[in-house]
Amino acid sequence: QSALTQPRSVSGSPGQSVTISCTGTSRDVGGYNYVSWYQQHPGNAPKLMIYDVTERPSGVPDRFSGSKSGNTASLTVSGLQAEDEADYYCCSYAGTYTPYVFGTGTKVTVL
Amino acid sequence: QVQVVESGGDVVQPGRSLRLSCAASGFTFSSYAMHWVRQAPGKGLEWVAIIWSDEKNKYYADSVKGRFTISRDNSKNTLYLQMNSLRAEDTAVYYCAREKSGGWYYDYWGQGTLVTVSS
Repeated sequence: QSALTQPRSVSGSPGQSVTISCTGTSRDVGGYNYVSWYQQHPGNAPKLMIYDVTERPSGVPDRFSGSKSGNTASLTVSGLQAEDEADYYCCSYAGTYTPYVFGTGTKVTVL
Repeated sequence: QVQVVESGGDVVQPGRSLRLSCAASGFTFSSYAMHWVRQAPGKGLEWVAIIWSDEKNKYYADSVKGRFTISRDNSKNTLYLQMNSLRAEDTAVYYCAREKSGGWYYDYWGQGTLVTVSS
């Protein structure tokens, strides 16, 4: 199972929106509505931001939203804030024997 | 509150073995599937292994299959990862993660434990 493809980096000014893509195959992203997104600040553990493609856990700001079309999922951060600067990883369910495959990771920079 | 705390990371020589532990608290450990996920220095996240709540089913990434063994002791609320025949490419922070019951995502992560394989 190969890693899902994400852009290495995206950037935006405070208040702007950025979108991170996550491209897989019909065996993972395209085959299930079980894409999740994790935010990771340096030295910290990943934190769940989005699950089941579009759902936000309690406590996650509604500036974060998810979507999916075909084999590509996306995470949009609207109204970018300084604390959003972090690495972001997508993750998809991929079946019983290799249940999860992660994306390559995207560094979000707030200019 | 839910907590998972990893331990056991160390510096080991190639070919040697190491066992990681993950102590869980604040939830009914025996009801959840648990995973190990690792992150090499400066790299992305990589799923390593899963063990179902009933301990009967375990699956591994191809990169560790045959060398690593995941296990759990539900009476001690503890998850383990036995790592044998360690290689330099196993160097990483190893995270213990809880899979959401009835879901397909991780809702809680530990802070990780660093394993360095070097001569």
